[in-house]
Amino acid sequence: DAGITQSPRHKVTETGTPVTLRCHQTENHRYMYWYRQDPGHGLRLIHYSYGVKDTDKGEVSDGYSVSRSKTEDFLLTLESATSSQTSVYFCAISEYSDEETQYFGPGTRLLVL
Amino acid sequence: AQKITQTQPGMFVQEKEAVTLDCTYDTSDPSYGLFWYKQPSSGEMIFLIYQGSYDQQNATEGRYSLNFQKARKSANLVISASQLGDSAMYFCAMRERGNTPLVFGKGTRLSVIA
Repeated sequence: DAGITQSPRHKVTETGTPVTLRCHQTENHRYMYWYRQDPGHGLRLIHYSYGVKDTDKGEVSDGYSVSRSKTEDFLLTLESATSSQTSVYFCAISEYSDEETQYFGPGTRLLVL
Repeated sequence: AQKITQTQPGMFVQEKEAVTLDCTYDTSDPSYGLFWYKQPSSGEMIFLIYQGSYDQQNATEGRYSLNFQKARKSANLVISASQLGDSAMYFCAMRERGNTPLVFGKGTRLSVIA
């Protein structure tokens, strides 16, 4: 199993509060991703990183920011959480190769009240 | 436009029977990869199988095989000899040229019946 951890695993917060989710990898992979999973939508890309301090937006990036100051850590921040951001958040990693799959972390279940 | 389409929200299969999960994709890039993931009720995403656009043969991994029909832009997952533990959500995904992020379909929920 790829060494990917996410913290926290579960979080309940209130509308308007900031929230930061952490993804940590021990594989030294270059690429890291944040997805959200919602019923009826599958997994949708929020942001991804292709190296330290190099990030790009995904399909559903509004309301989210990311940072990657070290290879092993990729942080996702909800600046002011809204109920529409209630979701399961998955981090994934991959190395540079067309056929290289993405390996996923265990997920973080976030509830915004 | 959707890049990955999974038209079967849910499917049932009898234990020990084979089942095909449909996936069609849309891309103009000649170089791409197709992936299938399994998500059991516990929530983790498990990689199952990969097919490259230039691969001459259909990919196989144990009881999983990918029926790749390039001209029809389909990449159906075939599970042979279904087991109760195969009950899960199954996601088809695609990556276009280079290490771009995967784009996922909405998934198919498979239920295996004893």
